[in-house]
Amino acid sequence: IAGITQAPTSQILAAGRRMTLRCTQDMRHNAMYWYRQDLGLGLRLIHYSNTAGTTGKGEVPDGYSVSRANTDDFPLTLASAVPSQTSVYFCASTTRSGETQYFGPGTRLLVL
Amino acid sequence: GDSVTQMEGPVTLSEEAFLTINCTYTATGYPSLFWYVQYPGEGLQLLLKATKADDKGSNKGFEATYRKETTSFHLEKGSVQVSDSAVYFCALSDRGYSTLTFGKGTMLLVSP
Repeated sequence: IAGITQAPTSQILAAGRRMTLRCTQDMRHNAMYWYRQDLGLGLRLIHYSNTAGTTGKGEVPDGYSVSRANTDDFPLTLASAVPSQTSVYFCASTTRSGETQYFGPGTRLLVL
Repeated sequence: GDSVTQMEGPVTLSEEAFLTINCTYTATGYPSLFWYVQYPGEGLQLLLKATKADDKGSNKGFEATYRKETTSFHLEKGSVQVSDSAVYFCALSDRGYSTLTFGKGTMLLVSP
């Protein structure tokens, strides 16, 4: 069982470019999440999805969009990257509210 | 809204020392409480959790007790090892909501 996979592992991106971070889970979890991790700020929720076909905004959604076409995949898109989006991005999933979230290995993104 | 406050690091200890990392929270409901650990270059993984008042979560020698009266969930370990060096995150999940609210993380450095 792979759990959660994220791709790419790392990326250097020119400002203004479009980028999609991929997240796939094989645990049949209903809920999925995207967080960004920045030094001194901990993890902040970007977007979430409680079930396939639905999405919601987290604490820092501006500049990001998500989709949830099926249970397994939850891609995060930066439509026009800016340097402030330089961060480490983690995808997570869980079976239901209040239960343990399982995290992917992260994507390290540098926007120049 | 919900929030988690944990002690700032880094916490620097010698091997076999006693560890306490403080965590307090505010929540509108009856949250589940978690400690996650992040080893260098990796994603977060669950260390322990507690779902109701007075519950004690434990794993790998770490313990934390859910104290509703003091809204706290302090992490303790009696004898730390070099391999415990990592960043520790306290988090809560409010009942009825699927998202996690994280503290900013506490880095632990253990020297031989």
